[in-house]
Amino acid sequence: DARVTQTPRHKVTEMGQEVTMRCQPILGHNTVFWYRQTMMQGLELLAYFRNRAPLDDSGMPKDRFSAEMPDATLATLKIQPSEPRDSAVYFCASGLVLGQSPYEQYFGPGTRLTVT
Amino acid sequence: AQKITQTQPGMFVQEKEAVTLDCTYDTSDQSYGLFWYKQPSSGEMIFLIYQGSYDEQNATEGRYSLNFQKARKSANLVISASQLGDSAMYFCAMREGDTGRRALTFGSGTRLQVQP
Repeated sequence: DARVTQTPRHKVTEMGQEVTMRCQPILGHNTVFWYRQTMMQGLELLAYFRNRAPLDDSGMPKDRFSAEMPDATLATLKIQPSEPRDSAVYFCASGLVLGQSPYEQYFGPGTRLTVT
Repeated sequence: AQKITQTQPGMFVQEKEAVTLDCTYDTSDQSYGLFWYKQPSSGEMIFLIYQGSYDEQNATEGRYSLNFQKARKSANLVISASQLGDSAMYFCAMREGDTGRRALTFGSGTRLQVQP
């Protein structure tokens, strides 16, 4: 049963610290998404990659957030320095995109981040 | 303008009854996809059902069906024979095709509570 995995599941850190979240997409999927979920904003897209290349990171605060895919099996989202307003659940999702054909996005379990 | 609108913050339904969760969307694309996800209290996002803009038949997956009315730009989720385990947040989402944007835009969600 293929799944998207995310680590850590929970992270509590102090303001100003660096936070790194990791995601392992489903093997064979060519697209990876990072979403953030908060009570106030709901689910919003931060960034996504196709074949490891960033396609859209317009939803991500560039001054403190960075997203990378060092290889096809790992996606990372970093926050440096972290702030209390970054507290949220961060979801990674992956999918296999072939042209205009429909596809599903499979979500990981999320990383619950608390910045104090 | 909101891309995805879910006007019901919360819904109650009796076990074994059917329930309809509303979703309207806004896009100028001809090709797009509509999705419903379930988020139980454990937090993971579970894909339920997909409807493509060119699909003539309403999508069905077990007890889930999508009432797609293209002219009205609505994509309501119908859950038949509700079960206690259906209690969760439900999100409607859209992927716009012609713009090349492959990520999902989510609605604010509807919290469904199934009562015994």
